[in-house]
Amino acid sequence: EAQVTQNPRYLITVTGKKLTVTCSQNMNHEYMSWYRQDPGLGLRQIYYSMNVEVTDKGDVPEGYKVSRKEKRNFPLILESPSPNQTSLYFCASSSRWGADTQYFGPGTRLTVL
Amino acid sequence: KQEVTQIPAALSVPEGENLVLNCSFTDSAIYNLQWFRQDPGKGLTSLLLIQSSQREQTSGRLNASLDKSSGRSTLYIAASQPGDSATYLCAWDSGSARQLTFGSGTQLTVLP
Repeated sequence: EAQVTQNPRYLITVTGKKLTVTCSQNMNHEYMSWYRQDPGLGLRQIYYSMNVEVTDKGDVPEGYKVSRKEKRNFPLILESPSPNQTSLYFCASSSRWGADTQYFGPGTRLTVL
Repeated sequence: KQEVTQIPAALSVPEGENLVLNCSFTDSAIYNLQWFRQDPGKGLTSLLLIQSSQREQTSGRLNASLDKSSGRSTLYIAASQPGDSATYLCAWDSGSARQLTFGSGTQLTVLP
């Protein structure tokens, strides 16, 4: 089954404790991205990757890091989480940018205390 | 900066009714527009993608149209069912920004 998986689905942590949210797709997609969804602000892009070893910032990259060492994986790293990063995070992928459907993961609900 | 607006924010209809969800965007330099469905506690599911060269796309009871000149897209749902209850999001793509710009969504409730 074609899918985008994210782990963990739910996470409660404390300020400053480094964490990684994993994202994996099994469709051999080149393009992957991360979004966060907040009430009243909608979905905003954090980072994206056009292919292995190619990443770039979205609209809200501050406080986040990403890497794309393998085509299927695109982890989101919060090296020193803060309460303003409490949000619902989505990973997405598509075979190529623009012409193809975006597939979204189920989301990770992060709470930073 | 591109703005995508969805009206209404919430809509409640009886089962069987045909309905239209609206999406408007300020920048007509559109590459494609996608409609998504979001269920509570779940991710986004793509419903329809309309390329800038197309005027509409259909999938089952869903029909999405695109009018670049007026900066509008509509999602038509025929013979609505309770299972259609969800939040519907439209997303605009310029092709160059490598990201989707989302509207705030329309929360649809179909009453049995």
